[in-house]
Amino acid sequence: ILNVEQSPQSLHVQEGDSTNFTCSFPSSNFYALHWYRWETAKSPEALFVMTLNGDEKKKGRISATLNTKEGYSYLYIKGSQPEDSATYLCAFRGNAGGTSYGKLTFGQGTILTVHP
Amino acid sequence: EAQVTQNPRYLITVTGKKLTVTCSQNMNHEYMSWYRQDPGLGLRQIYYSMNVEVTDKGDVPEGYKVSRKEKRNFPLILESPSPNQTSLYFCASTHLAGGLTSYEQYFGPGTRLTVT
Repeated sequence: ILNVEQSPQSLHVQEGDSTNFTCSFPSSNFYALHWYRWETAKSPEALFVMTLNGDEKKKGRISATLNTKEGYSYLYIKGSQPEDSATYLCAFRGNAGGTSYGKLTFGQGTILTVHP
Repeated sequence: EAQVTQNPRYLITVTGKKLTVTCSQNMNHEYMSWYRQDPGLGLRQIYYSMNVEVTDKGDVPEGYKVSRKEKRNFPLILESPSPNQTSLYFCASTHLAGGLTSYEQYFGPGTRLTVT
């Protein structure tokens, strides 16, 4: 099983703070890196799919960067709001040939709590 | 409405009694996948399917079977459930054309299974 790690495990911030989390993944056989947002009692919701080294993606106040050579991705949230409170998951797709790129390995997630 | 449906949503069963959790999507997606979510372990992939009659193991396939006879359906079968299969299960689907990076993955609402 591939090693995909996220840090920190949990984070408490005040409304208006900016914050960031890290996802580390294997640097070989890279295919894609996904970010998901998962609110309690709901299903995970896709944020970004990143494929190229140096990729930067942005959706509103949330952005992400990717470094495939060193095997890490950062997720940034600018001006956190209470509605940003959720678990943020990253997931790694490798490509070792055939249909192996269908396999998705998730990190354990970073639980973000934004206090009003 | 585009959606992934799972049935049942909640199930309590006993050890050894075969059960099937159904998953259906109405988006004509080629790729479908099953995950389980356990506290402290995040989401782990059980099986995935790139298209009809094409299935592959994820990271935790032991004790599970799947089939993909039709594009829209991807049932998860537990032939002889055991207490360690008590978990929250998610089905998901994605359009495959252009690769798995081109489209976001849609998750079903989840099935909470308890095996006593």
